[in-house]
Amino acid sequence: DIVMTQGALPNPVPSGESASITCRSSKSLVYKDGKTYLNWFLQRPGQSPQLLTYWTSTRASGVSERFSGSGSGTYFTLKISRVRAEDAGVYYCQQVREYPLTFGSGTKLEIK
Amino acid sequence: QVQLKESGPGLVQPSQTLSLTCTVSGFSLMDYSVHWVRQPPGKGLEWMGRMKYDGDTYYNSALKSRLSISRDTSKSQVFLKMNSLQTEDTAIYYCTRDDGTYYYWGQGVMVTVSS
Repeated sequence: DIVMTQGALPNPVPSGESASITCRSSKSLVYKDGKTYLNWFLQRPGQSPQLLTYWTSTRASGVSERFSGSGSGTYFTLKISRVRAEDAGVYYCQQVREYPLTFGSGTKLEIK
Repeated sequence: QVQLKESGPGLVQPSQTLSLTCTVSGFSLMDYSVHWVRQPPGKGLEWMGRMKYDGDTYYNSALKSRLSISRDTSKSQVFLKMNSLQTEDTAIYYCTRDDGTYYYWGQGVMVTVSS
């Protein structure tokens, strides 16, 4: 199984500052079609996961431009610019390169 | 409008079988795959398995011996059955649509395994 390892944040992050979350995979997430199958989700308390980005860097419909995904191969980053109170929650990376699909353990973002 | 909604018993006794239903609307189960994901209280997300649009299934090997996913396309429902439940199966269970991304999720259903 592909293991996904997420980094921590120096919480709390002051409102208006930027925050970057890292995610490493134990195997390359590049598929034979050339796409890199890495998703990012935000889960707010009491809510279902919300897709933020897919294929590493494509923002999902309705997601703010303040969220940007980057990376390649086995190392990925989600950057949140000008954090707001509504960005608080737990962020998960997920690989959909192969089965079983696996998630990172989550990174909590608290806003000051 | 795409929607998914999980339903099932909130409480299951240890060693019993869990039966959940994911009822979808706004799309056909013959066009999109549906996955099940669970989340124990205060913990992370675990992928459980998938019902593909062509009826094929795939399971997490850690659960494969206990898990079964089926569907009724005429009712737009995907079913999850898991036997030999233990307390560690206490979780919120979600279904989500696979359209190459996982944009659409149900609200989740909380299942507690307890006597």
